[in-house]
Amino acid sequence: GESVGLHLPTLSVQEGDNSIINCAYSNSASDYFIWYKQESGKGPQFIIDIRSNMDKRQGQRVTVLLNKTVKHLSLQIAATQPGDSAVYFCAERSGSEKLVFGKGMKLTVNP
Amino acid sequence: GAVVSQHPSWVICKSGTSVKIECRSLDFQATTMFWYRQFPKQSLMLMATSNEGSKATYEQGVEKDKFLINHASLTLSTLTVTSAHPEDSSFYICSGLQPWGNQPQHFGDGTRLSIL
Repeated sequence: GESVGLHLPTLSVQEGDNSIINCAYSNSASDYFIWYKQESGKGPQFIIDIRSNMDKRQGQRVTVLLNKTVKHLSLQIAATQPGDSAVYFCAERSGSEKLVFGKGMKLTVNP
Repeated sequence: GAVVSQHPSWVICKSGTSVKIECRSLDFQATTMFWYRQFPKQSLMLMATSNEGSKATYEQGVEKDKFLINHASLTLSTLTVTSAHPEDSSFYICSGLQPWGNQPQHFGDGTRLSIL
């Protein structure tokens, strides 16, 4: 269901390091997963998606891993840059049902 | 591709007035559009789902007479906050979805609404 919280979890990394953002999803029937990046004052920006018949998908500097056994999704960002600083949301969907967002993780990249 | 434009990006108005927010899909046809509300440091909360040419489906707890949604074409949906009050102040975000296959929703850049 919807996630509510007063404080966003935060991950701080050094510029150039690899970042891993994790997400636990709740619906075992979910068959489509998306990672979004949201910068301050803007709407969510699509990063990468993965369908349930896959366990890994790679994009430019990003990799999404899906473990359906434990209902876990992760986003790996290689060589993290200051421009990667944002809040990252995972989202899941089952068939044609509505998209369900996770709580979000704030990534801070230190120069 | 898949650009969603939201307008205005920021609006301040007096309590009791109505405010209309537009959401346009610029380079694709969005048979379904979604309206979200987001509070600071929180995730997106779905308010309603609108399909072109039909009435919107509202989430539980969202007043349909308060938040009027119109999806008159495949590229335009509007959200009107009627008789707005300070508690309606928030960040409102729309998204559009293409009609085929497993596709991601594409989001606008949001509207910051402040009611005085």
